[in-house]
Amino acid sequence: ETGVTQSPTHLIKTRGQQVTLRCSSQSGHNTVSWYQQALGQGPQFIFQYYREEENGRGNFPPRFSGLQFPNYSSELNVNALELDDSALYLCASSRGLAGGGGASTDTQYFGPGTRLTVL
Amino acid sequence: RKEVEQDPGPFNVPEGATVAFNCTYSNSASQSFFWYRQDCRKEPKLLMSVYSSGNEDGRFTAQLNRASQYISLLIRDSKLSDSATYLCVVGDYKLSFGAGTTVTVRA
Repeated sequence: ETGVTQSPTHLIKTRGQQVTLRCSSQSGHNTVSWYQQALGQGPQFIFQYYREEENGRGNFPPRFSGLQFPNYSSELNVNALELDDSALYLCASSRGLAGGGGASTDTQYFGPGTRLTVL
Repeated sequence: RKEVEQDPGPFNVPEGATVAFNCTYSNSASQSFFWYRQDCRKEPKLLMSVYSSGNEDGRFTAQLNRASQYISLLIRDSKLSDSATYLCVVGDYKLSFGAGTTVTVRA
């Protein structure tokens, strides 16, 4: 097991609602990345947090937002849910490069994911 | 154009066979390359990193061709437990995933 945990495991919401997903990183890791995986597709990068700061963002609208806490756990918030937001949401933890701006080339370890269904 | 493109398969092979597949990537500045394995409805798990000189991990061999921007994975002596979707991954701080190649090993 990677030591990365996510909650909840499954969630059902209706269109227009808001959702918060949580991720606890592996011990010793200070970087958390979030990905969205739609059915039949590979994961798509949403954003990354390094030491509580956003360190890069993929092609997702502002209604996708996040936080990282001092213990390096992280939240993904999605407002105004749309049907297309139905997907598996994965977080991955890793170690940021020492002395760098947070860009991490160290291996990313994935949590089990949260499966979100929007009706 | 997608950042990482893979043949979706499926590759349906008998136990003991060799199967190989590859992917192409569009960003020539990419620095890190991986193969991840994903079982049905589970999270991706790192199978192996891919180095320019090529590398082997047991029955798995990965190759990287930077000039042609493609990465390959070869599985020798396939086992039933190798049945999975194999994700080609390219990146640096953010990972770009292909859509996956499905491999089914039959008895």
